[in-house]
Amino acid sequence: GQQVMQIPQYQHVQEGEDFTTYCNSSTTLSNIQWYKQRPGGHPVFLIQLVKSGEVKKQKRLTFQFGEAKKNSSLHITATQTTDVGTYFCADNTNAGKSTFGDGTTLTVKP
Amino acid sequence: EAGVTQSPTHLIKTRGQQVTLRCSPISGHTSVYWYQQALGLGLQFLLWYDEGEERNRGNFPPRFSGRQFPNYSSELNVNALELEDSALYLCASSTYGTPEAFFGQGTRLTVV
Repeated sequence: GQQVMQIPQYQHVQEGEDFTTYCNSSTTLSNIQWYKQRPGGHPVFLIQLVKSGEVKKQKRLTFQFGEAKKNSSLHITATQTTDVGTYFCADNTNAGKSTFGDGTTLTVKP
Repeated sequence: EAGVTQSPTHLIKTRGQQVTLRCSPISGHTSVYWYQQALGLGLQFLLWYDEGEERNRGNFPPRFSGRQFPNYSSELNVNALELEDSALYLCASSTYGTPEAFFGQGTRLTVV
């Protein structure tokens, strides 16, 4: 079945450094969603991208959807300790049956 | 406004037993989704219910089943529990057709 591969699995950064996680698919996606899960918490929806080449920003977070709609990225500028957690991408091409990547776990050293 | 609520929060069962997990969606949400999250891993889609009907199902054996009630709450049933069923079971709800799903805190199931 359709899979989304997410890299890296772990990322350790110093507070103030940037962070990027990538999501890749071998097939064209109709949309891509991003979620954040804090340690011990539940996933929280961040955003959905639908259009080819789409770029959306939420404060220090920048989300991109590739031109071919086969990859996506989440970039955090100047990380803060509140950014720690696991970031998941999810493909919802098959309606209601979201396929999640394995996530990138971000740790931020103060 | 209350969020998605799940019960129980923690559960310990013996291999071969059966378990029922419960989920109450956000008021006004008709869709309920169930996911399994094994420790340290991503979310695996289990089931999607909307308006009382099963709309989609993940790649899980038939011993994973569920239902949605007229008030849109939902149950997930797992029969003949196996050790590898130990995981966090997450429920999410949304309005049909909207992308944003709201997750509950989950039920941590341990099978011994």
